[in-house]
Amino acid sequence: QSALTQPASVSGSPGQSITISCTGSSSDVGGYRYVSWYQHHPGKAPKVMIYDVSNRPSGVPDRFSGSKSGNTASLTISGLQAEDEADYYCSSYTSRGTRVFGGGTKLTVL
Amino acid sequence: QVQLVESGGGVVQSGRSLRLSCAASGFTFNRYAMHWVRQAPGKGLEWVALISNEDGSDKYYEDSVKGRFTISRDNSKNTLYLEMNSLRAEDTAVYYCAKDGFCRGGGCYPNFFDSWGQGTLVTVSS
Repeated sequence: QSALTQPASVSGSPGQSITISCTGSSSDVGGYRYVSWYQHHPGKAPKVMIYDVSNRPSGVPDRFSGSKSGNTASLTISGLQAEDEADYYCSSYTSRGTRVFGGGTKLTVL
Repeated sequence: QVQLVESGGGVVQSGRSLRLSCAASGFTFNRYAMHWVRQAPGKGLEWVALISNEDGSDKYYEDSVKGRFTISRDNSKNTLYLEMNSLRAEDTAVYYCAKDGFCRGGGCYPNFFDSWGQGTLVTVSS
């Protein structure tokens, strides 16, 4: 199973918006609503930010939003804050019943 | 609240075996599927294995560990395991256990990693 494709890095200034893409295939991202996004600060446990393409767990700010079109999912963070600087990963259910992650995107808040 | 605590990591020679444990608390353990996810040094997250809820009869593995790793659970002890055999240098990673989804208000939302442990480091030396 090949990893989902994410940009290696994105950056933005405080208050701006950024979008991270996650491209797969019809066997994973495009075929199911089970796409999720995770924030990972080095040395800490990853944290789910979005599940089922666009749902936010309780406690996650509404600055974080998710969407999907075809085989590509996206995570948008609006009103960037310094504490948003982290690595972000998408993940999807697959047609084999397994799971797959994206390669990860390093977000830098300038 | 949900707590997942991994243990069993360490330094092991290539070709040897190691068993990881994940002690769960704060939720009804047998009700949820569970995962192992790993992160090699300087690399991204990689899903490793999944075991279904209740009797754990359904198991899935990432291709590179299939036939070498075995996921299991002991619901009486609220503990998840990962038996790792024929270890290779490329298995060196922090291994996390993760709870699959959540149930609330009579509905369940599966197929994502709802809660994570802090991880345990496995180093395979050649």
